[in-house]
Amino acid sequence: EAGVTQFPSHSVIEKGQTVTLRCDPISGHDNLYWYRRVMGKEIKFLLHFVKESKQDESGMPNNRFLAERTGGTYSTLKVQPAELEDSGVYFCASSQVRGVQETQYFGPGTRLLVL
Amino acid sequence: AQSVTQLDSHVSVSEGTPVLLRCNYSSSYSPSLFWYVQHPNKGLQLLLKYTSAATLVKGINGFEAEFKKSETSFHLTKPSAHMSDAAEYFCVVSGPDTGRRALTFGSGTRLQVQP
Repeated sequence: EAGVTQFPSHSVIEKGQTVTLRCDPISGHDNLYWYRRVMGKEIKFLLHFVKESKQDESGMPNNRFLAERTGGTYSTLKVQPAELEDSGVYFCASSQVRGVQETQYFGPGTRLLVL
Repeated sequence: AQSVTQLDSHVSVSEGTPVLLRCNYSSSYSPSLFWYVQHPNKGLQLLLKYTSAATLVKGINGFEAEFKKSETSFHLTKPSAHMSDAAEYFCVVSGPDTGRRALTFGSGTRLQVQP
């Protein structure tokens, strides 16, 4: 079974440009999460999809970030325009909840550097 | 609100000696607790999880953790360190405190293993 995949693995852009990150969850997983780790900080939650619906977007830092999950499969996270403080590692995770048990499986992350 | 505190940002051990990575949590309810590991340039991998069954949880690669409610701790241990254990380890909590399923991460402990 393929794991969570993310693309690209690395992205270097200039301040003010737009970047789109993609996440493909494990097949059959309805839950998809985005997290990020900015330099020197903890990994922080951004948002949670259940299928194509945003269940919780309380962690999104501002309106420069737009996440979509059309069709309930893969998800994209767009940053427009990018700022220096957006640099960090963006992780995607997916899960399938069974009763009260849930384990989130993470992708390798996208390392974003904004210059 | 729930939180986790990893008491050591860096731990250095010699190969073949025991590993102890400390984690304390704060949660109003019975939480789910996890340890994830991130090897250099890799994604986050689940080591083990506690979900209110046995208090001693065994994970992959010889790691285990013990849930101690009276001490609000979930320390990670391994009897004998291997060079391949060098990585960053994250203690993670989730739970029904806020009705959200987002994970809350500790700040991470970087484990060095000396030959």
